[in-house]
Amino acid sequence: QVQLQESGPGLVKPSETLSLTCTLSGGSMSSGTYYWSWIRHPAGKGLEWIGRLTTGGTIHYNPSLKSRVTMSVDTSKNQFSLKLTSVTAADTAVYYCARAALGYGDHHYWGQGTLVTVSS
Amino acid sequence: DIQMTQSPSSLSASVGDRVTITCRASQTIINYLNWYQQKPGKAPKLLIYGASSLQSGVPSRFSGSGSGTDFTLTITSLQPEDFATYYCQQSYSNYYTFGQGTNLEIK
Repeated sequence: QVQLQESGPGLVKPSETLSLTCTLSGGSMSSGTYYWSWIRHPAGKGLEWIGRLTTGGTIHYNPSLKSRVTMSVDTSKNQFSLKLTSVTAADTAVYYCARAALGYGDHHYWGQGTLVTVSS
Repeated sequence: DIQMTQSPSSLSASVGDRVTITCRASQTIINYLNWYQQKPGKAPKLLIYGASSLQSGVPSRFSGSGSGTDFTLTITSLQPEDFATYYCQQSYSNYYTFGQGTNLEIK
C-alpha cells in the first residue's frame, strides 16, 4: 500500500535552512497525477499548508512562506523535498508530507510526520 | 487568501451524542471543502472530500454538507474513538488553507 515517510534533521539552528525529504513506497510518483504537499503543525496551533507540486512541474506555495520555500521532486528516487531558509523558532513544528487528489485537493495519504525544532 | 473559520473551537459531548461542526469560508469555495480528523501524535486522517463525499473506510456516522461558504460536519452517535480535533480545508484556490480546528472532548 502507499506509504509516505519524512526524513531530515530534527534540529536546525536559527537562520539556517531546514531540509526535509519525503519518500513514497508502494507506488510510483510517475504513475497517476497527484499533488504532493508539505503541511506543518506547530505545537498548540492548527495545521498550516506550506505548498504542493506535481511531477509535471506545477508548484504552488503558501504566500506567507513563499520567499523562503523551495519544493522539488526526484521521480527516479520516488522522493520530493522541502527547503525552508532563514528559519526561526516560529518554524518549529511537526512537518508532514502528503498526497492529494487533483479533483478536490483532498489529502488522502500522509506521512507520520517529523518534528523539526529550531534552536541554537 | 481564503480564510476558513470553524465553530465552535472546542466542544464537549458524550458517547452516543450527535454533534455538528461548522466551517465558514471568507468567499465562495463552491464545494472544494475537505474534513480531517487528527488525534494527538498522529497525522490527520481524511474523512470527507468535496464537501459531502465520504472517504473510503470512514464510518457512515460521519457526514458532510454545504456549498458556497457554509459547511458542516456531522457525527451521529459519537463513539469513544471520535474524540479528536477536526479541521476543514479549502482547495478552491491555489493556496490551500485550513480552519483553526475544533477540539471534540468527552463530557
